[in-house]
Amino acid sequence: AAGVIQSPRHLIKEKRETATLKCYPIPRHDTVYWYQQGPGQDPQFLISFYEKMQSDKGSIPDRFSAQQFSDYHSELNMSSLELGDSALYFCASSLGLAGVTDTQYFGPGTRLTVL
Amino acid sequence: AQTVTQSQPEMSVQEAETVTLSCTYDTSESDYYLFWYKQPPSRQMILVIRQEAYKQQNATENRFSVNFQKAAKSFSLKISDSQLGDAAMYFCAYRSEGGANSKLTFGKGITLSVRP
Repeated sequence: AAGVIQSPRHLIKEKRETATLKCYPIPRHDTVYWYQQGPGQDPQFLISFYEKMQSDKGSIPDRFSAQQFSDYHSELNMSSLELGDSALYFCASSLGLAGVTDTQYFGPGTRLTVL
Repeated sequence: AQTVTQSQPEMSVQEAETVTLSCTYDTSESDYYLFWYKQPPSRQMILVIRQEAYKQQNATENRFSVNFQKAAKSFSLKISDSQLGDAAMYFCAYRSEGGANSKLTFGKGITLSVRP
């Protein structure tokens, strides 16, 4: 079965640079979630989109922005990178916002290292 | 805001034995969903099992089952016949009933090791 695809899988950037992470949800899934997992931490919710509209927002820095496109893929844009942004960034997708079908399936993650 | 607590940072089990991982949560909502996710060394987040709060029957998935105590706000995971491949970090997660607040709130996780 098709899974969530994230690219790139690994990314190394310098401080103050920008990074773009991409997420391709499971086919027919219309909802995308972004999570950040620091070393030894639990995943923290950043932002979500349903039908190309932002549906919820968590502890996402103002330096970060995201959007969902017409084909339902999503991109997380990160600017003025800081050392503390080094983390594993997960994308998850689901079908709809409510009910059992809203189970979130995670991609493999993008490991971002800021030097 | 909802909180999820996993008070045991580490646990160990002998292969083929049974182990129970604990999780408690705090919420004022009556309808919600609870999940256990497994994160092996590859760091992939894998859904293990889910429970709907409105269901009294505990969920089971092969060797994995839960003990859901709604009044006590407790949601433990039992792994039977433990296998070496079960070694991983396990996260308990909470999700509101739906709508715009359907993000997952995770506990801090528990590292499970399996002894051969």
